[in-house]
Amino acid sequence: GDSVTQMEGPVTLSEEAFLTINCTYTATGYPSLFWYVQYPGEGLQLLLKATKADDKGSNKGFEATYRKETTSFHLEKGSVQVSDSAVYFCALSTGGGADGLTFGKGTHLIIQP
Amino acid sequence: EAGVTQFPSHSVIEKGQTVTLRCDPISGHDNLYWYRRVMGKEIKFLLHFVKESKQDESGMPNNRFLAERTGGTYSTLKVQPAELEDSGVYFCASSLYGNEQFFGPGTRLTVL
Repeated sequence: GDSVTQMEGPVTLSEEAFLTINCTYTATGYPSLFWYVQYPGEGLQLLLKATKADDKGSNKGFEATYRKETTSFHLEKGSVQVSDSAVYFCALSTGGGADGLTFGKGTHLIIQP
Repeated sequence: EAGVTQFPSHSVIEKGQTVTLRCDPISGHDNLYWYRRVMGKEIKFLLHFVKESKQDESGMPNNRFLAERTGGTYSTLKVQPAELEDSGVYFCASSLYGNEQFFGPGTRLTVL
């Protein structure tokens, strides 16, 4: 079946550091890929998405590129802030987002001032 | 515009009891989803409503779980009887056209 594997945390970085959170997937066909973020006490929010190979999703300084050849969708940010501290979830959908999403376990990111 | 709301935020019950979780989607969203995250594991899809109809319930773990969506508005998820392994965070999400899913804050269920 479909699955998503992402690096498990917690990941602790200093403010202004470069961030990479790895995500790889297994799926039939050509899934859509998503990154969701959960801030403390809140629900999951869509951070960015990509629907086909080589697409780059971006939002709030975060980027991720859909790499079909390596089945990856790694999340990157050039300079993190304390406010980026949250749990980040990589997810896929084989129905364009209309079906139930398949999630990774989540990566807890802690940014220290 | 109000987001997806869930009630209660926390529930602590004993094994064998019944619990009902409620989800109010964003007004006008026909698609409603339930997910569950057991500690240390992935968020797992449970089921998907389109209006009042169950579109996909392939993720429901067993017949102790019953989901309903009265009139295509709010939804309830009942667990009866609850078991220890049902503990976790239950998320609800809704979407308008099935593209972006908007999530609620979740209900943390603890079964003792």
